[in-house]
Amino acid sequence: EAGVTQFPSHSVIEKGQTVTLRCDPISGHDNLYWYRRVMGKEIKFLLHFVKESKQDESGMPNNRFLAERTGGTYSTLKVQPAELEDSGVYFCASSQTSAQYFGPGTRLTVL
Amino acid sequence: DAKTTQPTSMDCAEGRAANLPCNHSTISGNEYVYWYRQIHSQGPQYIIHGLKNNETNEMASLIITEDRKSSTLILPHATLRDTAVYYCIVKGGNYGQNFVFGPGTRLSVLP
Repeated sequence: EAGVTQFPSHSVIEKGQTVTLRCDPISGHDNLYWYRRVMGKEIKFLLHFVKESKQDESGMPNNRFLAERTGGTYSTLKVQPAELEDSGVYFCASSQTSAQYFGPGTRLTVL
Repeated sequence: DAKTTQPTSMDCAEGRAANLPCNHSTISGNEYVYWYRQIHSQGPQYIIHGLKNNETNEMASLIITEDRKSSTLILPHATLRDTAVYYCIVKGGNYGQNFVFGPGTRLSVLP
């Protein structure tokens, strides 16, 4: 069974540009989560989808971040415009019951 | 904030059992104890979880005290590849809740 996949693995962009991260959850998992770790800090929750609906987006830092999960399958997280403090590793996780399974992450560097 | 406290770091000799403690004195009756680990900058890897009974799987054993205020993750025969940051997380059984990561315990398995 394929695990959670994320694309790209790395992204380097300049301040003010737009970046879109993609997450493909484990097949059949209704729950999809985004987390991120910025430099020197702990992993923090961003938001949670149940199928295509946003269940909890309390962790989204500001309106420069937009997450979508059209059709309830894969999800995208867009950062527009990117700022220096957005640099970090963005993780996606999915679950069907209680345990969440994480992807390898996307390392975002904003210059 | 994380509801758990863990030692910052621990060492373990290769081949020996690694016992990682976690305190969660404010745990609620419906909250589970989860353990994850992160090797280098990979995505967090699920290890095990439990409610009140001890649990064992192919990776580890989880021992939860009777009062549920603390637990221990046991890696029975640690290898160099078990060197990682280990996170103890308390979360309700509702799959809709997100994980709150603390700083974890950095386990170094020494040859």
